[in-house]
Amino acid sequence: GQQVMQIPQYQHVQEGEDFTTYCNSSTTLSNIQWYKQRPGGHPVFLIQLVKSGEVKKQKRLTFQFGEAKKNSSLHITATQTTDVGTYFCAGPSGSARQLTFGSGTQLTVLP
Amino acid sequence: NAGVTQTPKFQVLKTGQSMTLQCAQDMNHEYMSWYRQDPGMGLRLIHYSVGAGITDQGEVPNGYNVSRSTTEDFPLRLLSAAPSQTSVYFCASSPYRGSYEQYFGPGTRLTVT
Repeated sequence: GQQVMQIPQYQHVQEGEDFTTYCNSSTTLSNIQWYKQRPGGHPVFLIQLVKSGEVKKQKRLTFQFGEAKKNSSLHITATQTTDVGTYFCAGPSGSARQLTFGSGTQLTVLP
Repeated sequence: NAGVTQTPKFQVLKTGQSMTLQCAQDMNHEYMSWYRQDPGMGLRLIHYSVGAGITDQGEVPNGYNVSRSTTEDFPLRLLSAAPSQTSVYFCASSPYRGSYEQYFGPGTRLTVT
């Protein structure tokens, strides 16, 4: 079945440093989504990318979808303590609306 | 709108006991799903439903049952709890057309002793 791999599993950064997490799928994706989960919370949708090579920005967050639609990245510029949490990518699988989630990258921001 | 609600927030079961985790949404979403989250393993799909009366298995369905009698409700039943089912359970919903965006409930933290 489809696999979605995410690296790194953990990342510690000093506040103000940049952060990037990478997502790779074993199959071509029609779209990819990114979610953020704060400690003790539930996943919250951030963005969906659909087009090959698409780049979207949300303030300090930049999301990219690869040309082959098999990989994606999330880059945070100048991290803040409010960025702490686990970031997941997810791609559709199956014929309905199932999503396969990556294992997530847990971001710690040191003040 | 309350969004997606789940009850209970916490539950402790003994091995062999059964229980139902409740999930409801008030957004008239056709698609609903149940995930379990274990450390280092992301979210794994247990069961899903594309509408009332229709359910199907996800990646890890064994030991769980679901039903979907209404659009709003999608309960998850543990038939005979096992320690391996200790996890955090999230219910999610999504409109069946348009964006694949999923809205998650606050989760149920289940411990099986």
